[in-house]
Amino acid sequence: QVQLQESGPGLVKPSGTLSLTCAVSGVGVSSAYEFWWSWVRQPPGKGLEWIGEIHHSGITNYNPSFKSRVDMSVDESKNQISLHLTSTTVADTAIYYCARGSYYTWWNWGQGTLVTVSS
Amino acid sequence: QSALTQPASVSGSPGQSITISCSGTNSDVGGYNFVSWHQHHPGKAPKLIIFNVSERPSGISNRFSGSKSGNTASLTISGLQPDDESDYFCSSYTSSRAYVFGSGTTVTVL
Repeated sequence: QVQLQESGPGLVKPSGTLSLTCAVSGVGVSSAYEFWWSWVRQPPGKGLEWIGEIHHSGITNYNPSFKSRVDMSVDESKNQISLHLTSTTVADTAIYYCARGSYYTWWNWGQGTLVTVSS
Repeated sequence: QSALTQPASVSGSPGQSITISCSGTNSDVGGYNFVSWHQHHPGKAPKLIIFNVSERPSGISNRFSGSKSGNTASLTISGLQPDDESDYFCSSYTSSRAYVFGSGTTVTVL
């Protein structure tokens, strides 16, 4: 079955770059044209927030709230997705999820990884 | 983009039906039939239970049903079971070519 697993540093210093990877198993990141790979986060005590998505072709669609700070990439050879968020502040402290999307919904999610921005 | 509005909590007894609302605007819920519902046990991966307002993925019980009226979508769980105790969130595609989520609802089985 399809599984997604987020990983990366659990602690990032303010003004630093938050970098996460999402390892995908059970399906190739580019095995279907309709696949889009999203990153979603949930700050403590708050609701979910969509960060953006990337198609395996490299086309991206970012939430305007993050547009100047976010970069996503796909590594087909490693079958993984990456997220980079620059100029972080404590407000970026959250559980970060990756998800496989198509047809305007998400079919598979990772369990999420907590990233704390703190000095 | 403001979050979609959901009740913080809903409860019901086993066997009863409950409904969770998800209120948005005509730029998201009201403007598109791309509303989804996920079940989320904290610490685990969210699970898709409804997409395109009312469609169920393969393997999802028909006790879960979705609907929409105007700018408000709804998830109904019928024949409530102890296993249904979880968090539920809605989501919608928006006119900004982005996605917005609901604030989340905790379902308690009494």
